[in-house]
Amino acid sequence: GENVEQHPSTLSVQEGDSAVIKCTYSDSASNYFPWYKQELGKRPQLIIDIRSNVGEKKDQRIAVTLNKTAKHFSLHITETQPEDSAVYFCAADSGAGSYQLTFGKGTKLSVIP
Amino acid sequence: KAGVTQTPRYLIKTRGQQVTLSCSPISGHRSVSWYQQTPGQGLQFLFEYFSETQRNKGNFPGRFSGRQFSNSRSEMNVSTLELGDSALYLCASSLVEAPLSYEQYFGPGTRLTVT
Repeated sequence: GENVEQHPSTLSVQEGDSAVIKCTYSDSASNYFPWYKQELGKRPQLIIDIRSNVGEKKDQRIAVTLNKTAKHFSLHITETQPEDSAVYFCAADSGAGSYQLTFGKGTKLSVIP
Repeated sequence: KAGVTQTPRYLIKTRGQQVTLSCSPISGHRSVSWYQQTPGQGLQFLFEYFSETQRNKGNFPGRFSGRQFSNSRSEMNVSTLELGDSALYLCASSLVEAPLSYEQYFGPGTRLTVT
């Protein structure tokens, strides 16, 4: 089955700096790669996603890149703000129209004011 | 539109008991997936339902089961509870119509504690 590795597990950055979180996946059939943000005690929130036919996608301060050949994808947050502090999860589907998502273990991002 | 809702939000059960959790998807969403979240294992896929049929199942024992009703609401059941079943159970719903078909939106979860 699919295996998703996420690094780093914790990340501290100064407010205004950039943050990068990286994930690798194992199943070459995977086509859909979402990123979720989970604040303490709250539900995971979908913040951005990318499909296998696209190499990069941006939404304001957030961007995701995908390298299908290397089977890795990354989340980039620019101009970080204290409210960006949360746990971020990457995920990959199992391909072939599957709605089964395999998640990485999460990255706890702390933005220091 | 109202978001995904789950009931109950908190539950305390004793080992050996069974429990039923409920999930109401976003209006119009026809797929419901269930996940277990624990500090040690993270988010793990349990199963996914569409049109009252289970389409995918994760690597969990048969004590974990679910169903979906004709209005897309879903329930999951855990029988013979074990201490290790203590977790946050999250459901997520999807529209299942391209191009938004893969996006999953989570409910607030049910926090299950087994004593």
